[in-house]
Amino acid sequence: DQQVKQNSPSLSVQEGRISILNCDYTNSMFDYFLWYKKYPAEGPTFLISISSIKDKNEDGRFTVFLNKSAKHLSLHIVPSQPGDSAVYFCAASARYSGAGSYQLTFGKGTKLSVIP
Amino acid sequence: NAGVMQNPRHLVRRRGQEARLRCSPMKGHSHVYWYRQLPEEGLKFMVYLQKENIIDESGMPKERFSAEFPKEGPSILRIQQVVRGDSAAYFCASSPTGTLQSTDTQYFGPGTRLTVL
Repeated sequence: DQQVKQNSPSLSVQEGRISILNCDYTNSMFDYFLWYKKYPAEGPTFLISISSIKDKNEDGRFTVFLNKSAKHLSLHIVPSQPGDSAVYFCAASARYSGAGSYQLTFGKGTKLSVIP
Repeated sequence: NAGVMQNPRHLVRRRGQEARLRCSPMKGHSHVYWYRQLPEEGLKFMVYLQKENIIDESGMPKERFSAEFPKEGPSILRIQQVVRGDSAAYFCASSPTGTLQSTDTQYFGPGTRLTVL
């Protein structure tokens, strides 16, 4: 039972264009969402997060949008750079649900390739 | 400020042997989490520990797996009598608190890649 789904295993984007990575979730208790970036042979690196009380959070080239009614979030990278090529994981947590609030539930990841 | 350290980075074991994976959290972090990533899968939560205490081991397999975080030294994930299905990347993360805040997220180590022959 996959509670966090990233339905696109891979995505190719031209340098300078926008990359949009999508994530869907099923657990309505999730109230905090994170995006991690992972290079081969390294651990995930935190990118950006969003609380369920917001619908948008921006940090430089990275913006995360949350649509609670659709249980959908997306990560926008503008402009995309070759160094952004990595696997991006969406993760979620039920931060205010009490027990297990620290547990991150991850999607399977989307491999982004930014073509120079 | 050194990040989360894990060793070894690669570990090869034969079926039936024991595997010991070590994790040193970031300085100032007293909360440690272990996750496992099977091939082509996302990371899955295994266990959450604070110093000398296991807080939540709901993601740990019932047998052969154990974890500790002693008062001194690194956190250890121990897998006894390894089987081929244990082959995976094991990631440790740490945080300064046990809840997720916008500034207190979990920071991950580079992982230990366990291969069981």
